[in-house]
Amino acid sequence: NAGVTQTPKFQVLKTGQSMTLQCAQDMNHNSMYWYRQDPGMGLRLIYYSASEGTTDKGEVPNGYNVSRLNKREFSLRLESAAPSQTSVYFCASIHSDRVEADTQYFGPGTRLTVL
Amino acid sequence: KQEVTQIPAALSVPEGENLVLNCSFTDSAIYNLQWFRQDPGKGLTSLLLIQSSQREQTSGRLNASLDKSSGRSTLYIAASQPGDSATYLCAVNRGSTLGRLYFGRGTQLTVWP
Repeated sequence: NAGVTQTPKFQVLKTGQSMTLQCAQDMNHNSMYWYRQDPGMGLRLIYYSASEGTTDKGEVPNGYNVSRLNKREFSLRLESAAPSQTSVYFCASIHSDRVEADTQYFGPGTRLTVL
Repeated sequence: KQEVTQIPAALSVPEGENLVLNCSFTDSAIYNLQWFRQDPGKGLTSLLLIQSSQREQTSGRLNASLDKSSGRSTLYIAASQPGDSATYLCAVNRGSTLGRLYFGRGTQLTVWP
Protein backbone atom coordinates (compact mmCIF):
# COMPACT_ATOMS: atom_id res chain seq x y z
CA ASN A 1 0.00 0.00 0.00
CA ALA A 2 1.42 3.36 -1.06
CA GLY A 3 -1.29 5.26 0.85
CA VAL A 4 -1.76 8.77 -0.54
CA THR A 5 0.67 9.87 -3.24
CA GLN A 6 1.13 13.34 -4.70
CA THR A 7 2.99 14.60 -7.75
CA PRO A 8 5.01 16.65 -8.22
CA LYS A 9 6.90 17.11 -4.94
CA PHE A 10 8.22 20.55 -5.91
CA GLN A 11 7.20 23.06 -8.57
CA VAL A 12 8.17 26.60 -9.51
CA LEU A 13 5.80 28.57 -11.71
CA LYS A 14 5.74 32.05 -13.16
CA THR A 15 2.72 34.26 -12.57
CA GLY A 16 -0.02 33.37 -15.03
CA GLN A 17 1.15 29.83 -15.77
CA SER A 18 -1.15 26.90 -15.18
CA MET A 19 -0.53 23.50 -13.66
CA THR A 20 -2.29 20.47 -12.20
CA LEU A 21 -1.39 18.82 -8.92
CA GLN A 22 -2.11 15.10 -8.90
CA CYS A 23 -3.25 13.00 -5.97
CA ALA A 24 -4.04 9.30 -5.79
CA GLN A 25 -4.94 6.90 -2.98
CA ASP A 26 -4.98 3.12 -2.98
CA MET A 27 -7.00 2.55 0.20
CA ASN A 28 -10.44 2.47 -1.46
CA HIS A 29 -11.39 5.67 0.38
CA ASN A 30 -14.57 7.50 -0.52
CA SER A 31 -13.73 11.10 0.40
CA MET A 32 -10.74 13.16 -0.67
CA TYR A 33 -9.54 16.66 0.23
CA TRP A 34 -7.13 19.36 -0.86
CA TYR A 35 -5.61 21.60 1.83
CA ARG A 36 -3.02 24.35 1.68
CA GLN A 37 -0.56 25.14 4.47
CA ASP A 38 0.97 28.58 4.81
CA PRO A 39 3.57 29.71 7.39
CA GLY A 40 1.94 30.71 10.67
CA MET A 41 -1.45 29.38 9.63
CA GLY A 42 -3.19 26.10 10.07
CA LEU A 43 -4.12 23.93 7.11
CA ARG A 44 -7.08 25.34 5.19
CA LEU A 45 -9.46 23.36 3.04
CA ILE A 46 -9.52 24.29 -0.65
CA TYR A 47 -11.91 21.71 -2.15
CA TYR A 48 -13.19 18.32 -1.21
CA SER A 49 -14.94 15.37 -2.83
CA ALA A 50 -17.29 13.40 -0.62
CA SER A 51 -17.59 10.62 -3.18
CA GLU A 52 -16.73 9.81 -6.78
CA GLY A 53 -18.44 12.27 -9.09
CA THR A 54 -18.99 15.04 -6.52
CA THR A 55 -16.88 18.04 -5.56
CA ASP A 56 -17.52 21.01 -3.27
CA LYS A 57 -15.79 24.21 -2.26
CA GLY A 58 -13.97 24.55 1.01
CA GLU A 59 -12.72 27.62 2.83
CA VAL A 60 -10.35 29.04 0.17
CA PRO A 61 -11.46 27.83 -3.32
CA ASN A 62 -10.78 30.98 -5.36
CA GLY A 63 -8.23 30.46 -8.13
CA TYR A 64 -8.52 26.66 -8.07
CA ASN A 65 -10.50 23.94 -9.82
CA VAL A 66 -10.69 20.24 -9.04
CA SER A 67 -11.56 16.99 -10.76
CA ARG A 68 -12.46 13.70 -9.13
CA LEU A 69 -11.32 11.56 -12.02
CA ASN A 70 -12.33 8.28 -10.40
CA LYS A 71 -12.45 6.87 -6.88
CA ARG A 72 -8.65 6.84 -6.62
CA GLU A 73 -7.67 10.19 -8.10
CA PHE A 74 -8.41 13.80 -7.17
CA SER A 75 -6.57 16.58 -9.02
CA LEU A 76 -6.19 20.28 -8.23
CA ARG A 77 -5.70 22.77 -11.05
CA LEU A 78 -4.36 26.30 -10.95
CA GLU A 79 -5.52 27.99 -14.17
CA SER A 80 -3.51 31.20 -13.78
CA ALA A 81 -1.05 31.02 -10.91
CA ALA A 82 -0.55 34.01 -8.61
CA PRO A 83 2.18 34.65 -6.00
CA SER A 84 -0.51 34.35 -3.29
CA GLN A 85 -0.81 30.68 -4.25
CA THR A 86 2.74 29.97 -3.10
CA SER A 87 2.14 27.33 -0.47
CA VAL A 88 2.45 23.68 0.45
CA TYR A 89 -0.49 21.65 -0.84
CA PHE A 90 -1.65 18.48 0.86
CA CYS A 91 -4.06 15.89 -0.39
CA ALA A 92 -5.91 13.71 2.14
CA SER A 93 -8.43 10.90 2.10
CA ILE A 94 -10.79 9.15 4.48
CA HIS A 95 -12.97 6.10 4.18
CA SER A 96 -15.96 8.06 5.63
CA ASP A 97 -18.33 5.19 6.33
CA ARG A 98 -17.81 5.95 10.02
CA VAL A 99 -16.81 9.61 10.05
CA GLU A 100 -16.63 9.75 13.83
CA ALA A 101 -14.01 7.02 14.00
CA ASP A 102 -12.12 7.49 10.72
CA THR A 103 -8.79 9.24 10.60
CA GLN A 104 -7.57 11.16 7.59
CA TYR A 105 -4.51 10.02 5.70
CA PHE A 106 -2.28 12.68 4.19
CA GLY A 107 0.06 12.71 1.24
CA PRO A 108 3.64 14.06 1.48
CA GLY A 109 2.73 17.44 0.00
CA THR A 110 3.59 19.53 -3.05
CA ARG A 111 5.71 22.61 -2.44
CA LEU A 112 4.68 25.25 -4.95
CA THR A 113 6.41 28.59 -5.53
CA VAL A 114 4.88 31.19 -7.84
CA LEU A 115 7.26 33.93 -8.93
CA LYS B 1 -16.99 29.05 12.23
CA GLN B 2 -14.84 26.64 14.18
CA GLU B 3 -11.63 28.21 15.55
CA VAL B 4 -8.86 25.97 16.85
CA THR B 5 -6.06 27.39 19.00
CA GLN B 6 -2.90 25.66 20.14
CA ILE B 7 -0.72 26.76 23.02
CA PRO B 8 2.22 27.08 23.22
CA ALA B 9 3.31 27.88 19.66
CA ALA B 10 6.78 26.52 20.42
CA LEU B 11 8.30 24.47 23.19
CA SER B 12 11.91 23.47 23.88
CA VAL B 13 12.63 20.91 26.60
CA PRO B 14 15.46 18.61 27.69
CA GLU B 15 15.16 14.92 27.03
CA GLY B 16 13.20 12.96 29.63
CA GLU B 17 10.68 15.64 30.54
CA ASN B 18 6.95 14.99 30.59
CA LEU B 19 5.12 17.66 28.67
CA VAL B 20 1.63 18.85 27.80
CA LEU B 21 0.41 20.44 24.59
CA ASN B 22 -2.88 22.29 24.65
CA CYS B 23 -5.64 22.67 22.09
CA SER B 24 -8.88 24.62 22.39
CA PHE B 25 -11.84 24.90 20.02
CA THR B 26 -14.81 27.23 19.94
CA ASP B 27 -17.66 24.95 18.83
CA SER B 28 -18.24 21.92 21.04
CA ALA B 29 -20.42 20.16 18.43
CA ILE B 30 -17.66 17.96 17.06
CA TYR B 31 -17.47 14.41 15.71
CA ASN B 32 -13.91 13.85 16.82
CA LEU B 33 -10.60 15.51 17.59
CA GLN B 34 -7.34 14.35 16.09
CA TRP B 35 -3.70 14.95 16.92
CA PHE B 36 -1.17 14.83 14.08
CA ARG B 37 2.59 14.98 13.92
CA GLN B 38 4.39 16.81 11.11
CA ASP B 39 8.11 16.50 10.53
CA PRO B 40 9.90 19.27 8.56
CA GLY B 41 9.16 19.01 4.86
CA LYS B 42 6.86 16.03 5.37
CA GLY B 43 3.16 15.25 5.43
CA LEU B 44 0.97 14.72 8.47
CA THR B 45 0.88 11.50 10.44
CA SER B 46 -2.11 10.72 12.63
CA LEU B 47 -1.18 10.09 16.27
CA LEU B 48 -4.48 9.81 18.11
CA LEU B 49 -8.18 10.21 17.35
CA ILE B 50 -10.69 10.83 20.14
CA GLN B 51 -14.33 10.35 19.24
CA SER B 52 -16.85 12.81 20.65
CA SER B 53 -18.17 10.17 23.07
CA GLN B 54 -14.71 9.40 24.45
CA ARG B 55 -12.66 11.18 27.09
CA GLU B 56 -9.15 10.00 26.22
CA GLN B 57 -6.99 7.83 24.02
CA THR B 58 -3.54 6.38 24.62
CA SER B 59 -0.80 5.17 22.32
CA GLY B 60 2.54 4.28 23.86
CA ARG B 61 3.96 7.38 25.56
CA LEU B 62 1.17 9.57 24.19
CA ASN B 63 -2.10 10.28 25.93
CA ALA B 64 -4.75 12.65 24.60
CA SER B 65 -7.76 13.84 26.53
CA LEU B 66 -10.93 15.57 25.38
CA ASP B 67 -13.31 17.81 27.32
CA LYS B 68 -16.02 18.73 24.83
CA SER B 69 -18.00 20.92 27.19
CA SER B 70 -15.06 23.23 27.80
CA GLY B 71 -13.73 22.95 24.24
CA ARG B 72 -10.30 21.63 25.24
CA SER B 73 -7.92 18.81 24.51
CA THR B 74 -4.45 18.06 25.83
CA LEU B 75 -1.72 15.86 24.41
CA TYR B 76 0.54 14.45 27.09
CA ILE B 77 3.95 13.13 26.06
CA ALA B 78 5.76 11.09 28.69
CA ALA B 79 9.53 10.81 28.95
CA SER B 80 10.21 12.95 25.88
CA GLN B 81 12.97 11.95 23.44
CA PRO B 82 14.86 13.87 20.73
CA GLY B 83 12.92 11.82 18.17
CA ASP B 84 9.73 13.49 19.40
CA SER B 85 10.92 16.79 17.92
CA ALA B 86 8.31 17.83 15.36
CA THR B 87 5.27 20.06 14.96
CA TYR B 88 2.11 18.74 16.60
CA LEU B 89 -1.20 19.72 15.05
CA CYS B 90 -4.64 19.50 16.59
CA ALA B 91 -7.69 19.22 14.32
CA VAL B 92 -11.42 18.90 14.94
CA ASN B 93 -14.05 17.30 12.75
CA ARG B 94 -17.37 19.11 13.00
CA GLY B 95 -19.20 16.73 10.71
CA SER B 96 -20.97 19.54 8.83
CA THR B 97 -18.75 18.91 5.81
CA LEU B 98 -18.09 15.19 5.66
CA GLY B 99 -14.70 14.52 7.19
CA ARG B 100 -13.50 18.10 6.89
CA LEU B 101 -10.93 19.05 9.54
CA TYR B 102 -10.33 22.43 11.17
CA PHE B 103 -6.69 22.78 12.15
CA GLY B 104 -4.82 24.74 14.77
CA ARG B 105 -1.51 26.37 13.84
CA GLY B 106 0.51 23.76 15.69
CA THR B 107 3.05 23.53 18.51
CA GLN B 108 6.67 23.22 17.37
CA LEU B 109 8.41 20.89 19.83
CA THR B 110 12.17 20.58 20.24
CA VAL B 111 13.58 17.97 22.60
CA TRP B 112 17.31 18.34 23.12
CA PRO B 113 19.64 15.64 24.44
